[in-house]
Amino acid sequence: EPEVTQTPSHQVTQMGQEVILRCVPISNHLYFYWYRQILGQKVEFLVSFYNNEISEKSEIFDDQFSVERPDGSNFTLKIRSTKLEDSAMYFCASSENNGFEQYFGPGTRLTVT
Amino acid sequence: AQRVTQPEKLLSVFKGAPVELKCNYSYSGSPELFWYVQYSRQRLQLLLRHISRESIKGFTADLNKGETSFHLKKPFAQEEDSAMYYCALWTGGFKTIFGAGTRLFVKA
Repeated sequence: EPEVTQTPSHQVTQMGQEVILRCVPISNHLYFYWYRQILGQKVEFLVSFYNNEISEKSEIFDDQFSVERPDGSNFTLKIRSTKLEDSAMYFCASSENNGFEQYFGPGTRLTVT
Repeated sequence: AQRVTQPEKLLSVFKGAPVELKCNYSYSGSPELFWYVQYSRQRLQLLLRHISRESIKGFTADLNKGETSFHLKKPFAQEEDSAMYYCALWTGGFKTIFGAGTRLFVKA
């Protein structure tokens, strides 16, 4: 069964550094999402992406964040200048259609020191 | 405001007992609701969605628009049901809102 994959599984970075989190969605899916989960807190929507552009973003997704689909398979989340409070689990998800079941990746644990 | 509330952080039941995980939502339109589950060391996965009205692994959930609730129920809990359960709301845009989650612990 096809799965969403994410790399790396754990990323440690220093405050102020740029990080890129990578995701490979399921191949025939058209909608892509990033969520984050700070330890002990809820899963929070960051951004959705469709047809090579952002379709919706949350208030968390400020100018420090960007997403890209650089080729036909990868979907990336970039944080330009990381802060301590960016430490969280970041989940990528994809779905065949909007509002349908979302398939989640295993997550990338980002630790900002 | 669009919101999903799961009032219980932790629910502990004995094996064979009924279980109900509560979910209330706030949304003025016609919602689409889901339950996602995360077993230990596994990824989030869909358990069920209200529109399909299926029973998955013995779990059911009924949308009650009057009470704005979508509680997840199972008549006889099994140890393998121990997991984190998230209620989620899709409001027709491109965003899904998750509740804070309830950890279900089924004791032998």
